[in-house]
Amino acid sequence: GAGVSQSPRYKVAKRGQDVALRCDPISGHVSLFWYQQALGQGPEFLTYFQNEAQLDKSGLPSDRFFAERPEGSVSTLKIQRTQQEDSAVYLCAGGDRGFSGNTIYFGEGSWLTVV
Amino acid sequence: AQKVTQAQTEISVVEKEDVTLDCVYETRDTTYYLFWYKQPPSGELVFLIRRNSFDEQNEISGRYSWNFQKSTSSFNFTITASQVVDSAVYFCALSVVPSGSARQLTFGSGTQLTVLP
Repeated sequence: GAGVSQSPRYKVAKRGQDVALRCDPISGHVSLFWYQQALGQGPEFLTYFQNEAQLDKSGLPSDRFFAERPEGSVSTLKIQRTQQEDSAVYLCAGGDRGFSGNTIYFGEGSWLTVV
Repeated sequence: AQKVTQAQTEISVVEKEDVTLDCVYETRDTTYYLFWYKQPPSGELVFLIRRNSFDEQNEISGRYSWNFQKSTSSFNFTITASQVVDSAVYFCALSVVPSGSARQLTFGSGTQLTVLP
C-alpha cells in the first residue's frame, strides 16, 4: 500500500484478554518502530526492529508486551492479560534509513480500550 | 535523559490570526535533532520539519516558520494566517544520536490547536 497500515483500527478488550495489533509497513522499509500514546500525551517509544531483528525493546512496559517481525516486514505487537492502563493508541512507524525522524512514516494507529 | 516540554495544552485562535506553539527541550547531548509533527483527528503523525543541533538558522515554509534558539533550548513553531485546516495536535520531538541503541523520538505532550472560522 501507499502508507503504513495498522489493524485493527479500534479494539475493545475485556481486562485479562490477550490482543494482537498488526502493522504492515511500506514495502522495503527496513526500520519499524512501535509507540504507545496515552490519551492527551505524546507517543512513547516501545520497541524497534531493523529487518527481523529486534534491536531495542527498552520501552516495553512489562513482560506482558511482546513484539515480533519474523520476516522483516509485517510486525505484530501482542499484549497478554490486558489491563486498563494498557488503554492507548498504539502507533507503528517505518523508515527506509532507520534513524532519521523525517524518514519515519507513521500509521494511523490502533486504538485499544480495555474495559 | 531527554525531555520535551510543550507548556501550552490548548490554543484557540480565529482564522487568519498568527499563532506560535512553544517547545522547550532538555538534553545533555551536543548532537541532536528536533522535530515537529502534526496529528490530525485521523491519528497519523505527519512530519513537518527536522533541524539538527548545529543549524540554528530559522526556517520558513509557506505559512509555517520555526525559530530554533540553543541559548534558551527552544524550538518554537509559528503558523501565519492560520486556517481551519491547521486544527490538529502538534508535537515537538527530540532525537539524539544513538549510542549502541536505536534512536528514539522523545515527544512532548502536544498542543491542541483549534482554528475557528
